[in-house]
Amino acid sequence: GESVGLHLPTLSVQEGDNSIINCAYSNSASDYFIWYKQESGKGPQFIIDIRSNMDKRQGQRVTVLLNKTVKHLSLQIAATQPGDSAVYFCAENIGPGGSYIPTFGRGTSLIVHP
Amino acid sequence: DGGITQSPKYLFRKEGQNVTLSCEQNLNHDAMYWYRQDPGQGLRLIYYSQIVNDFQKGDIAEGYSVSREKKESFPLTVTSAQKNPTAFYLCASSSGDSLLTNEKLFFGSGTQLSVL
Repeated sequence: GESVGLHLPTLSVQEGDNSIINCAYSNSASDYFIWYKQESGKGPQFIIDIRSNMDKRQGQRVTVLLNKTVKHLSLQIAATQPGDSAVYFCAENIGPGGSYIPTFGRGTSLIVHP
Repeated sequence: DGGITQSPKYLFRKEGQNVTLSCEQNLNHDAMYWYRQDPGQGLRLIYYSQIVNDFQKGDIAEGYSVSREKKESFPLTVTSAQKNPTAFYLCASSSGDSLLTNEKLFFGSGTQLSVL
């Protein structure tokens, strides 16, 4: 399944399925992007990053895709596990005023059903 | 262990009271940030500091104040002027060698502030 935009949608998947979380970023000048995972009551944790000179980067069970033409990021999680349940945020490195201040989207809540 | 520590975990504020949230890091990071998170919302920047003795307002600085007297510490005071202070407050740091450095943020575990 997919989730689009920055309105804190909820994505529900079955354990073992692949998950795709989408994010539309704001500033075309942004050249560095990060995905964070936030579990309930905790601070966000770094998952994976990508620079604008790349369109794909892979980590362990996660892949980030970047489409600069349409200012779109996606996070793919392979073989989703219950421990992946969390809110996922994308962040870009340039804010609305053009300053190099990390700027976050509203997040997507991922729920993994055993 | 290296990391960023926020305290307290939970804090209650009475009307008209100022409260201070603590943030300490031992990562030797130059830059520190305070974000506010409301339920179902993203992170909104309150204040940030790129270097000791200097800090800048973020998007929602009204009703808040900060200081950066030491590299390791960046306390946030929620003043009585902040009329809707109930939120989850997150402190973060990054190595931030220069304004153009692309660095990931390291977050503390947050402080939940509620109004009595």
